[in-house]
Amino acid sequence: EDKVVQSPLSLVVHEGDTVTLNCSYEVTNFRSLLWYKQEKKAPTFLFMLTSSGIEKKSGRLSSILDKKELFSILNITATQTGDSAVYLCARATDSWGKLQFGAGTQVVVTP
Amino acid sequence: IAGITQAPTSQILAAGRRMTLRCTQDMRHNAMYWYRQDLGLGLRLIHYSNTAGTTGKGEVPDGYSVSRANTDDFPLTLASAVPSQTSVYFCATRSDSGANVLTFGAGSRLTVL
Repeated sequence: EDKVVQSPLSLVVHEGDTVTLNCSYEVTNFRSLLWYKQEKKAPTFLFMLTSSGIEKKSGRLSSILDKKELFSILNITATQTGDSAVYLCARATDSWGKLQFGAGTQVVVTP
Repeated sequence: IAGITQAPTSQILAAGRRMTLRCTQDMRHNAMYWYRQDLGLGLRLIHYSNTAGTTGKGEVPDGYSVSRANTDDFPLTLASAVPSQTSVYFCATRSDSGANVLTFGAGSRLTVL
């Protein structure tokens, strides 16, 4: 059984659209949930969420965690072509940084 | 620029050959990790090291070994490469602040034929 499940697997949107990405996770040993953006090479960190209901925001990106329903969402508003990437969700199960990743959601933003 | 250096960037390797992927960091972080990334499977942890001199197995350790002789270097060795080890390999470090935020290197693309 997958411990971190992301949906959709991929989507194509037009510039200016809003995108909502989903991440559900297994509760066993859950410590925190992280979002990363991966363009061509290394994943880059976006958010880390540990508390339920508290929105993290950075520019047009925001994320929130629901620890009761065991999911997180990543929102991107007013999308731009530079938002085209694979977005990865990961859960941390201990304090030593070992992350379990979902398969990712590929987002393509067309002009 | 401070960060993580991985080498080689890309390599094609014959099955059965030995290969070492290099990872060097200059941030003096204690914790380091090796992940592999395959289409549809996301990133999977191969091995990790919480501090120099210690290593541990991740989710998919078979066929790989690591060593951590000092803080800066964390090489990953494939003793006898097989085609299923064709993948993109990422090295990562974690800040000693305690948060589970990893910083990743640019990756090494390995093709085993």
